[in-house]
Amino acid sequence: DAGITQSPRHKVTETGTPVTLRCHQTENHRYMYWYRQDPGHGLRLIHYSYGVKDTDKGEVSDGYSVSRSKTEDFLLTLESATSSQTSVYFCAISDRVSSTEAFFGQGTRLTVV
Amino acid sequence: GDSVTQMEGPVTLSEEAFLTINCTYTATGYPSLFWYVQYPGEGLQLLLKATKADDKGSNKGFEATYRKETTSFHLEKGSVQVSDSAVYFCALIPNAGNMLTFGGGTRLMVKP
Repeated sequence: DAGITQSPRHKVTETGTPVTLRCHQTENHRYMYWYRQDPGHGLRLIHYSYGVKDTDKGEVSDGYSVSRSKTEDFLLTLESATSSQTSVYFCAISDRVSSTEAFFGQGTRLTVV
Repeated sequence: GDSVTQMEGPVTLSEEAFLTINCTYTATGYPSLFWYVQYPGEGLQLLLKATKADDKGSNKGFEATYRKETTSFHLEKGSVQVSDSAVYFCALIPNAGNMLTFGGGTRLMVKP
């Protein structure tokens, strides 16, 4: 299994509070991604990174920010959590852009009450 | 933009039945195509992939052929097992792009 760890695995937070999810990899892969998974929507890309301090927006980036200060860590921050951000969040990593697989973490279940 | 469309589920089959899950895509050029599987409570795992037209990806009895003319990548298995019950996602990466785009997922339920 690829060395990719998400933390926390589960979190319940209140509306309006900041939340940070962490993705840690031991594979030295260049690309890292944050997705959210919701019923009826499959997986939607929030943000991705193509190197240290190099990030870009995905399909559903509003309300989220990311940071990558080290190759191995990619942080996703909800500045002020809302109930619509209740979801399962997945981190993924890959070594090359195309024609290769992405490895996924186990997911973080976030509930905003 | 790029998109992937797959049949809605759930798909319910009896053990040893034939499986087809349809997947079509919209993308410029020649994207790479993937099928991922998600077992309950787990992350996604790559099931198979194809990187150019007419390639066939296969793994664990599953197959899918990259059809450029119909922009399709349908997943098939000749005889499903209860252990194949999971959610299956079709996905693509554009030839010169960075983002893995997923379909909505299809839940497969196999009954003994």
